[in-house]
Amino acid sequence: GAVVSQHPSWVICKSGTSVKIECRSLDFQATTMFWYRQFPKQSLMLMATSNEGSKATYEQGVEKDKFLINHASLTLSTLTVTSAHPEDSSFYICSARPSGGHEQYFGPGTRLTVT
Amino acid sequence: AQSVAQPEDQVNVAEGNPLTVKCTYSVSGNPYLFWYVQYPNRGLQFLLKYITGDNLVKGSYGFEAEFNKSQTSFHLKKPSALVSDSALYFCAVRGESNYQLIWGAGTKLIIKP
Repeated sequence: GAVVSQHPSWVICKSGTSVKIECRSLDFQATTMFWYRQFPKQSLMLMATSNEGSKATYEQGVEKDKFLINHASLTLSTLTVTSAHPEDSSFYICSARPSGGHEQYFGPGTRLTVT
Repeated sequence: AQSVAQPEDQVNVAEGNPLTVKCTYSVSGNPYLFWYVQYPNRGLQFLLKYITGDNLVKGSYGFEAEFNKSQTSFHLKKPSALVSDSALYFCAVRGESNYQLIWGAGTKLIIKP
């Protein structure tokens, strides 16, 4: 149980284009979903927290107009990187917190490369 | 503010020996503590958590962690290490808002045959 999927697992896009990443909780309902970036050999950097049906809360320094987050249902959240630039290349990871739970369950991550 | 420290960047252990990965925390109020593992080219996996109750918490893959309130520590342990335990381990504490997790820097665990 407690499986979270991400799609796509990797994507290459050209500078200036937008990319959407999906995060799904497959066997539980997630009241809260989180989006992280992970740089090589570094810990996770929280980008934003989203609660189903409400606007995401972004961490300081994260541009909300660039990283659009939608949490339309209890099993799906999406992150759209708009007008991507090479510096946006990173490993993006989502996690989901089951309703009533404290721990987070993580997706396998999405490797984004912007050329 | 909540914070987590993992003082060791890397821990080396021989296969079959006991292992400990250290974690200390700073919180206001009761701590909610977690351990996660990240295998190469894979996502983070939840190992165990301490919310309340017994100080010794058992988790996945034979791991356990001991909550020590006086030392504000939550060290991860395993009695007998396997080569397959080699991975990156993260300690985390629940933040003050919205169930966010505050992460340690991670400890690379290397188990040598």
